[in-house]
Amino acid sequence: QQQVKQSPQSLIVQKGGISIINCAYENTAFDYFPWYQQFPGKGPALLIAIRPDVSEKKEGRFTISFNKSAKQFSLHIMDSQPGDSATYFCAARYSGAGSYQLTFGKGTKLSVIP
Amino acid sequence: NAGVTQTPKFQVLKTGQSMTLQCAQDMNHNSMYWYRQDPGMGLRLIYYSASEGTTDKGEVPNGYNVSRLNKREFSLRLESAAPSQTSVYFCASSEGVSSPLHFGNGTRLTVT
Repeated sequence: QQQVKQSPQSLIVQKGGISIINCAYENTAFDYFPWYQQFPGKGPALLIAIRPDVSEKKEGRFTISFNKSAKQFSLHIMDSQPGDSATYFCAARYSGAGSYQLTFGKGTKLSVIP
Repeated sequence: NAGVTQTPKFQVLKTGQSMTLQCAQDMNHNSMYWYRQDPGMGLRLIYYSASEGTTDKGEVPNGYNVSRLNKREFSLRLESAAPSQTSVYFCASSEGVSSPLHFGNGTRLTVT
């Protein structure tokens, strides 16, 4: 079974600090790795995504680092703010055999304290 | 600019009752999806519709049926609700199967 393992389950970071969430996958055929952000009472929203042909992608304070050989990718939130407090999901998808299903990690609840 | 609209927002059912969750998108997207979200389990795909007229099973389809009514609407039906189906259900859409997902705000379903 395709799996994406996400850690930690919860994370508390002080305002201005760096938040780091890690994900590991098993299927080497995965070719798309998005991160979703979810606020309470809302649906997840795409935050940032990367494909395996690059090792890093940065959008503002959010950076994905990708290590193909280790089958790991991580989300770094620089200068974390209380408004970043949310649940973050990593995901992976492979585009083979007519299947385009996203497999999600179990989520990380981030709390940024002032 | 509604995006993906789900109804109802909340629902309580008794075991054995049936109901249909409704989803509509106004982004002219081709693909639509139903996920369930349970504490500590992430999001799991129930069914999806890659394009109008097609539906396929996801990871956890048992106990559910879907209908892609037209390009805009994709409904999820529980024929005989069970307590194990207590969850938050999210509908999502995307321009194509390899495009980013846009989620609705969910339906919180409790089965007693």
